Amino acid sequence: KAGVTQTPRYLIKTRGQQVTLSCSPISGHRSVSWYQQTPGQGLQFLFEYFSETQRNKGNFPGRFSGRQFSNSRSEMNVSTLELGDSALYLCASSRSGSGDSYNSPLHFGNGTRLTVT
Amino acid sequence: ILNVEQSPQSLHVQEGDSTNFTCSFPSSNFYALHWYRWETAKSPEALFVMTLNGDEKKKGRISATLNTKEGYSYLYIKGSQPEDSATYLCAKRTGNQFYFGTGTSLTVIP
Repeated sequence: KAGVTQTPRYLIKTRGQQVTLSCSPISGHRSVSWYQQTPGQGLQFLFEYFSETQRNKGNFPGRFSGRQFSNSRSEMNVSTLELGDSALYLCASSRSGSGDSYNSPLHFGNGTRLTVT
Repeated sequence: ILNVEQSPQSLHVQEGDSTNFTCSFPSSNFYALHWYRWETAKSPEALFVMTLNGDEKKKGRISATLNTKEGYSYLYIKGSQPEDSATYLCAKRTGNQFYFGTGTSLTVIP
């Protein structure tokens, strides 16, 4: 089974620009979640999608948005980039996450390293 | 805001030593506790998912315990090997949301 695929791996953008990151989950996984990691911080939850619906959103400004397509692939968009948005962005997929699937682990991609200059 | 805390922040041990880390979390709204190993230049990899108070899981030389009433989990590594060098993350699941600790960075010295 192919793993979680994130593209691109590296990205350099300028303040004020916008960026779109992509995540393809493991086949059959319908839940996709996104995380931000900055130096000294743990993985910070951005949002989680299931069946094209955002079920949860973390404490991030509205500049951060996402969506999920019918094939479960997900994209994350950050508009009006700021220097503080420089981070590693990880996505993870898992099974549905309800009922007895609460014991399902997250499967992570290799991440997109975003640098904002 | 849910604070998941891990200690120690970093650890250096000699090959063959046994070691353990702690993950503390608020006990309310508990669904599951996850442990992940994150090696440099790789993606985090799941070690254990525990849901019940008193759960104990084992995978080779690595084991974990869970106390949901007092809000902590321990990860144990017996006879550390250089390949165990990684950052170990714990995460509390509440519904469909995960709260991660900042991790324990383990370095095993040959």
